[in-house]
Amino acid sequence: EDQVTQSPEALRLQEGESSSLNCSYTVSGLRGLFWYRQDPGKGPEFLFTLYSAGEEKEKERLKATLTKKESFLHITAPKPEDSATYLCAVQLRNQGGKLIFGQGTELSVKP
Amino acid sequence: GAVVSQHPSWVICKSGTSVKIECRSLDFQATTMFWYRQFPKQSLMLMATSNEGSKATYEQGVEKDKFLINHASLTLSTLTVTSAHPEDSSFYICSARGASGRNEQFFGPGTRLTVL
Repeated sequence: EDQVTQSPEALRLQEGESSSLNCSYTVSGLRGLFWYRQDPGKGPEFLFTLYSAGEEKEKERLKATLTKKESFLHITAPKPEDSATYLCAVQLRNQGGKLIFGQGTELSVKP
Repeated sequence: GAVVSQHPSWVICKSGTSVKIECRSLDFQATTMFWYRQFPKQSLMLMATSNEGSKATYEQGVEKDKFLINHASLTLSTLTVTSAHPEDSSFYICSARGASGRNEQFFGPGTRLTVL
């Protein structure tokens, strides 16, 4: 069965305290792995797509990496405005583009 | 670019009534749109996939006669919750994927449905 597991469920950081969020997956055939940010009461905001092991992408304080079993979202020197739920999703081959989401990591950054 | 809108942003209805939610891609043509629902403190669960001009494909356990999906054009998909009941209260979110090889899915802002 295709599964996506994110850890930790919740993460509290002080402003400037760097950390990483994990997304582990077990799927039959990975086409791509997506990271989204979701603020309360809003739709997910696209961050990154990764397609192959070893690939890395960066955007401001965020960097996403991918291996054959997991992905990490590294947050460098976070600010309070980075507080949100971060969602990881996998897209399978030959499945019409649908995404399977993990449960998310709720990040809180205190000033 | 890649903006997806939903209307309404929230709706309250009585049990037994039907509610229609619209999802529009504003600056690109969406060959495929997806409908998700999200319960509080939970992740997104895919309900169905709709391709322009064809019938939607529903996920296991989703009643197609209750959640009617129409994808009549490359910029509009609608989800109609028929005979809504309190257990249908949820956050409904659509996403859209463009053509020409772009694989990213862009999400709408969501619609909060409350059934009394």
